[in-house]
Amino acid sequence: DAGVIQSPRHEVTEMGQEVTLRCKPISGHNSLFWYRQTMMRGLELLIYFNNNVPIDDSGMPEDRFSAKMPNASFSTLKIQPSEPRDSAVYFCASSPLPIMGVLIFYTFGSGTRLTVV
Amino acid sequence: SQQGEEDPQALSIQEGENATMNCSYKTSINNLQWYRQNSGRGLVHLILIRSNEREKHSGRLRVTLDTSKKSSSLLITASRAADTASYFCATDGRGTSYGKLTFGQGTILTVHP
Repeated sequence: DAGVIQSPRHEVTEMGQEVTLRCKPISGHNSLFWYRQTMMRGLELLIYFNNNVPIDDSGMPEDRFSAKMPNASFSTLKIQPSEPRDSAVYFCASSPLPIMGVLIFYTFGSGTRLTVV
Repeated sequence: SQQGEEDPQALSIQEGENATMNCSYKTSINNLQWYRQNSGRGLVHLILIRSNEREKHSGRLRVTLDTSKKSSSLLITASRAADTASYFCATDGRGTSYGKLTFGQGTILTVHP
């Protein structure tokens, strides 16, 4: 398995533009997570999905952020319009669904470094 | 908000020495995990310890968990320059369904050759 695949690796965009980040989870993993990492705030959970259904989006900072998971093998995180304070590394992670007594851990992608100028 | 708090924030040691990092958390947990992040890369899972376990080993890694103090430590023995990375603890809180992990701020470890 190629692991969790994110694209693009780097994105530089101008303020006000729409940005779409993409993630392909590991086949068979039913949970998908979007995190944002900055020096100031560390790793923040933005949203996560179980079986393609959004479970908790309380970490999504504003209405400018939206995430979708149309099928088990693909998810997007969209920022529209983007602002300089959105500059960060965005990680996608996947894991099997937790089941009583079955322990889980995350597999992270390599991240997308977003710079909004 | 970040539940886990790592200590120290940064640690600098010589190759061959042991490195100890600590993590404290606030709420009851199902398990605690440690991850490693190399510069410019994603996080990689290192080890998981259940709430009913007190110590766990994996190669040069040793993790302890004290649920009464809500704290954990990660010991890397005989460190190598390749161990240079950031290390994060993450907790899967009780009452939180579906395995949502909350990460600490991390400890930056530098191992000098």
